[in-house]
Amino acid sequence: AQRVTQPEKLLSVFKGAPVELKCNYSYSGSPELFWYVQYSRQRLQLLLRHISRESIKGFTADLNKGETSFHLKKPFAQEEDSAMYYCALSRGNQGGKLIFGQGTELSVKP
Amino acid sequence: DAGVIQSPRHEVTEMGQEVTLRCKPISGHNSLFWYRQTMMRGLELLIYFNNNVPIDDSGMPEDRFSAKMPNASFSTLKIQPSEPRDSAVYFCASSPGSLEAFFGQGTRLTVV
Repeated sequence: AQRVTQPEKLLSVFKGAPVELKCNYSYSGSPELFWYVQYSRQRLQLLLRHISRESIKGFTADLNKGETSFHLKKPFAQEEDSAMYYCALSRGNQGGKLIFGQGTELSVKP
Repeated sequence: DAGVIQSPRHEVTEMGQEVTLRCKPISGHNSLFWYRQTMMRGLELLIYFNNNVPIDDSGMPEDRFSAKMPNASFSTLKIQPSEPRDSAVYFCASSPGSLEAFFGQGTRLTVV
């Protein structure tokens, strides 16, 4: 079965601390993986996709096929990073056909 | 570009009533998706259209739910009759066929 698991509902860190939001997946084919973010009262928006291998707002995520993981990391958290983060898996070659994890709320305290 | 536009933003209705949610995708995008978000089940894909044609409706929970896309700039999701367990946030998203989906701000539906 295709599934995305985010084990933490809430992650609370202090400003300047490192952050790692965990994501594990199960998928029989070659996965396309994404991180979406939803800031307070804003729409869900794409943060990262694994094929781009880019860093956005200081966040990076590496696909580890051996561990079936796609953890999101940032070395120094900022207060403006506080948001809901969703890991998602794309089924097929349609970017919008997504299987989402349950989401992790990141709270960065001053 | 205003992005994907959904209306209404909030809807409160009584059980048994018909509810229609509306979505205007980003111009030029050829795929449209309806998602539902609940506390219990998270974000789930209900149905998706490609070039106005429904491609996969396997996520539609039951026959009370129906979706249409009469043209490239408009889609509706209808629930008839509505039930309290349909209360959720419904998101519409569109995609230009790339690996990115652009989401609307959602419609929060409450069925009492």
